[in-house]
Amino acid sequence: SQQGEEDPQALSIQEGENATMNCSYKTSINNLQWYRQNSGRGLVHLILIRSNEREKHSGRLRVTLDTSKKSSSLLITASRAADTASYFCATAPVWRGGADGLTFGKGTHLIIQP
Amino acid sequence: KAGVTQTPRYLIKTRGQQVTLSCSPISGHRSVSWYQQTPGQGLQFLFEYFSETQRNKGNFPGRFSGRQFSNSRSEMNVSTLELGDSALYLCASSLSTGPNTEAFFGQGTRLTVV
Repeated sequence: SQQGEEDPQALSIQEGENATMNCSYKTSINNLQWYRQNSGRGLVHLILIRSNEREKHSGRLRVTLDTSKKSSSLLITASRAADTASYFCATAPVWRGGADGLTFGKGTHLIIQP
Repeated sequence: KAGVTQTPRYLIKTRGQQVTLSCSPISGHRSVSWYQQTPGQGLQFLFEYFSETQRNKGNFPGRFSGRQFSNSRSEMNVSTLELGDSALYLCASSLSTGPNTEAFFGQGTRLTVV
C-alpha cells in the first residue's frame, strides 16, 4: 500500500519560478527520500533526510521534514525546463528497522513551461 | 563508477510464459531491491536481497521470485505471466541494508505481457 501521498498530483509553472511539492506519510519513519523520474525511466536519488533532521539543502533543492505532522516538502528554486519530471517521496519505516523496502507515494508530475 | 544496470530494457512476453530479469548493482553494493511500477498501483516493493539472502518480501504472489549471486548480481523471475504483470520493474542497489542507506536505481526493464 502507498504510505506517502504527494501533493499536488500535477504542477505546471514557468521556468525560473520555484516549485514546491508536499508529501504526507502515515507511520513513523527512519528517513524520507525524494526521487525524480523522467518519462517512465529509472529513479534518480535527490536527497535523503533523516527523522532527526528538519531541513536539508542540495544545490537548488531544499527539503523540510516535520515528523510531528508526518509531512515533508521539496522546494526546487529557479526551475529549469530540465526539471520537468515526476517527483516521488519514499519512506523507510522505523518498525522492523526500515528493512521492508521503501514505500513510495504516487508522485507529483512537474511541468516547467519555457 | 558504473551505475545500476538492468537487462533487458524492454521485453514482450505472452501470457503464461515466464521471464527472468537481471540487475547488476553498483560495484561494492551488497543490497539489491526490486520494485514494480504500474500506472494504477505506483511503485511497490517486491523483495530485497543482501549477501545472497532474501531479507524481505513485499505483498506479491509466489509467482514472483528472485535470487542474488555471490557477486551481488540479482535476478528476478516471474512465472505464469498475467496481463497485470505488465509494468516497469526497477532494481535498486545500496551499500548496505541500514535504514539510512541511499538506494540507487537502474533504468528499469519494461515488461509487456500480451
